[in-house]
Amino acid sequence: EAQVTQNPRYLITVTGKKLTVTCSQNMNHEYMSWYRQDPGLGLRQIYYSMNVEATDKGDVPEGYKVSRKEKRNFPLILESPSPNQTSLYFCASSLKSGGLYEQYFGPGTRLTVT
Amino acid sequence: KNEVEQSPQNLTAQEGEFITINCSYSVGISALHWLQQHPGGGIVSLFMLSSGKKKHGRLIATINIQEKHSSLHITASHPRDSAVYICAVSQNFGNEKLTFGTGTRLTIIP
Repeated sequence: EAQVTQNPRYLITVTGKKLTVTCSQNMNHEYMSWYRQDPGLGLRQIYYSMNVEATDKGDVPEGYKVSRKEKRNFPLILESPSPNQTSLYFCASSLKSGGLYEQYFGPGTRLTVT
Repeated sequence: KNEVEQSPQNLTAQEGEFITINCSYSVGISALHWLQQHPGGGIVSLFMLSSGKKKHGRLIATINIQEKHSSLHITASHPRDSAVYICAVSQNFGNEKLTFGTGTRLTIIP
């Protein structure tokens, strides 16, 4: 089954404790992206990757890191999480078709930083 | 002013009613996406369109590039259509940046 998977789905952690949220897709998509979703603000892009070893900042990259060593994986790293990073996080991948990118979203990771 | 505006923010309707959700944007785009998010959080792509109209089952999406406006219509609405509907636009500057509206919460009452 074609899908984007994220782990963990739920995480409660404390300020300053490094964490990684994994994202994997089995569709051989070149483009992957991370978003956060907050009430009243909607979805905002954190980082994106056009292909292996090609990553760039989105709208809200502060406090996050990413890497793209393999085409299928795009982990999101919080080196020193803070309470303002409490949010619902989505990974997405997409394939260019006819000049347009159709998005496939992961199930989401709900992160709480205390 | 947000680059992508949706209306209404909340919509409650009776089962069977015809539903329209609107999206206006202020930037140049390569495509417009309609997404559906059910309670529980998962997001599904419903439509991606750059011109004209698309139909899938009871859902219809239209876009008017000149007016920078799109509509999502649901015919014969059903309680299972209750969800948040999100409009997003692609600004293809070589990085496929997506800008999202804040969503329309639709509730269909049986």
